[in-house]
Amino acid sequence: EAGVAQSPRYKIIEKRQSVAFWCNPISGHATLYWYQQILGQGPKLLIQFQNNGVVDDSQLPKDRFSAERLKGVDSTLKIQPAKLEDSAVYLCASSPPGGEAEAFFGQGTRLTVV
Amino acid sequence: AQSVSQHNHHVILSEAASLELGCNYSYGGTVNLFWYVQYPGQHLQLLLKYFSGDPLVKGIKGFEAEFIKSKFSFNLRKPSVQWSDTAEYFCAVNARGNNRLAFGKGNQVVVIP
Repeated sequence: EAGVAQSPRYKIIEKRQSVAFWCNPISGHATLYWYQQILGQGPKLLIQFQNNGVVDDSQLPKDRFSAERLKGVDSTLKIQPAKLEDSAVYLCASSPPGGEAEAFFGQGTRLTVV
Repeated sequence: AQSVSQHNHHVILSEAASLELGCNYSYGGTVNLFWYVQYPGQHLQLLLKYFSGDPLVKGIKGFEAEFIKSKFSFNLRKPSVQWSDTAEYFCAVNARGNNRLAFGKGNQVVVIP
């Protein structure tokens, strides 16, 4: 079974630039998540999609972060403009439909803002 | 909202030693509990999970965890670690019916051969 695919693996940008991350979940997984993991901390949920609708974006800094999941499959997370404190690993995860299901994670994109 | 506490962020031990990692959560309702592991250079993967039933859960690679509801705890154990268990371990919880995971800060475990 193919896992969650993310690209790019690494990205270095200057502050105030924009950046986008891409995620392709496991086939058939209705739920897709974006997490931010700052060094030394556990992952923090940014946004959760159910198919192409947003379920939870309460912790997404909406003034600079945006995400979309067109057609209910792939997803893109964008930061514009980036700040130094956005340096982190951005993880995408997906889970199958149904009640209690585990999340499957991609390898993440390591973002460094300089 | 749920929160998860993990203590002793850095753990160093020798091969064949026993490992126990503590996890406490705060949430008044019914929860699902997870331990995820991240080996160096790899993605987060599930070690074990508890949804209901027997509170002693066995996972992959000889790991087990015990859910103690009265203590709001879900501690991870392995009787005899190997060098290959060097990794970061994360406890996570979600409220029953809500897949949103709340993670602890993780335990960095280093096993010395």
